[in-house]
Amino acid sequence: NAGVIQTPRHKVTGKGQEATLWCEPISGHSAVFWYRQTIVQGLEFLTYFRNQAPIDDSGMPKERFSAQMPNQSHSTLKIQSTQPQDSAVYLCASSMGQFYAEQFFGPGTRLTVL
Amino acid sequence: GQQVQQSPASLVLQEGENAELQCNFSSTATRLQWFYQRPGGSLVSLLSNPSGTKHTGRLTSTTVTKERRGSLHISSSQITDSGTYLCAMERDDTGYQNFYFGKGTSLTVIP
Repeated sequence: NAGVIQTPRHKVTGKGQEATLWCEPISGHSAVFWYRQTIVQGLEFLTYFRNQAPIDDSGMPKERFSAQMPNQSHSTLKIQSTQPQDSAVYLCASSMGQFYAEQFFGPGTRLTVL
Repeated sequence: GQQVQQSPASLVLQEGENAELQCNFSSTATRLQWFYQRPGGSLVSLLSNPSGTKHTGRLTSTTVTKERRGSLHISSSQITDSGTYLCAMERDDTGYQNFYFGKGTSLTVIP
């Protein structure tokens, strides 16, 4: 079991460019979570999928952020027109989906917007 | 407001001392899950329990859901325990898994 896989591990973009982050959940896990982590804000929830369906995107900045899960083996987080304040570590986690199921985190993608 | 508050924000211990990390939450929770994060590393799940006490190795997690508090006890701390400990609260009132994280306790264990 390779665990949750996230690519790329590091990404540097210029202000105004687009960034796409990838997540491959653990095989068999039905729930996928996206979080953003910064020193100031800590770990912030962004969005959640279960069985590929978007369940809760209340943490997503509405205008430039979007997430998709086209199949059960991967999810993407896309940030359009990146801004310096988007710089953070973006973490993906997966779980079996039911209550009390353990969350497993990927290594994260460190996004730096210059 | 912040739904999960952890204290202390940082802690420095000498090797061999015990640590007590606190987690207080403001909403009804089904359980607390404790994670460990090394600087620049990902989160690793340590313990998860809805209520009562749970042990693994030198770690003891205690959750008192009715009082909206939990704690993580680390006994005989080691230098390799240094890192950030995050508490996550799971709520069930939304009908699906919903986690809220505290900002963490940064633990430094010195020789």
